[in-house]
Amino acid sequence: GENVEQHPSTLSVQEGDSAVIKCTYSDSASNYFPWYKQELGKRPQLIIDIRSNVGEKKDQRIAVTLNKTAKHFSLHITETQPEDSAVYFCAAIRGYGGGADGLTFGKGTHLIIQP
Amino acid sequence: KAGVTQTPRYLIKTRGQQVTLSCSPISGHRSVSWYQQTPGQGLQFLFEYFSETQRNKGNFPGRFSGRQFSNSRSEMNVSTLELGDSALYLCASSLMGQGVETQYFGPGTRLLVL
Repeated sequence: GENVEQHPSTLSVQEGDSAVIKCTYSDSASNYFPWYKQELGKRPQLIIDIRSNVGEKKDQRIAVTLNKTAKHFSLHITETQPEDSAVYFCAAIRGYGGGADGLTFGKGTHLIIQP
Repeated sequence: KAGVTQTPRYLIKTRGQQVTLSCSPISGHRSVSWYQQTPGQGLQFLFEYFSETQRNKGNFPGRFSGRQFSNSRSEMNVSTLELGDSALYLCASSLMGQGVETQYFGPGTRLLVL
């Protein structure tokens, strides 16, 4: 089955600086890679996603890059703000017509924004 | 549209008991997936239901089961509870359960087994 590795487990950055979280996956058939943000006591919320036919996607301060050959993808947050503090999860899934195996998640990165 | 809802939000059970958790998907969504979240193992896929049929199952023992009703609402059941079953149980819904669709998560049910 799929295996997703996520690094680092904790990341502390100064407010206004950039943060980068990296994930690798093992199943070359995975073709959808979402990123979720989970604040303490709340549900995971999708912040950005990328499909395997795209190399990069950007949404305001958040961007995701995908390298299919190397089987890794990364989350980039620029101009970090205090409200960016949360746990971030990457995930991968092998989707196909009719059903899916379920998201395989990384272990999460606790992002701490220092004022 | 209302989001994914789960009931109850908190549960306390003792070892050996069984428990049933409920999930109502976003209106129009036909696929419901269940995940277990623990500090040690993170988020792990339990199973996925579509049109009242279990299509996929993760690597969990048979004590974990589920079902889906004709209105797409889903329940999961855990029998013979063990201490290690203490976790946050999250359900997620998507339109058709195609892998490339966004899965929207509910708030979760926090289960504590004593």
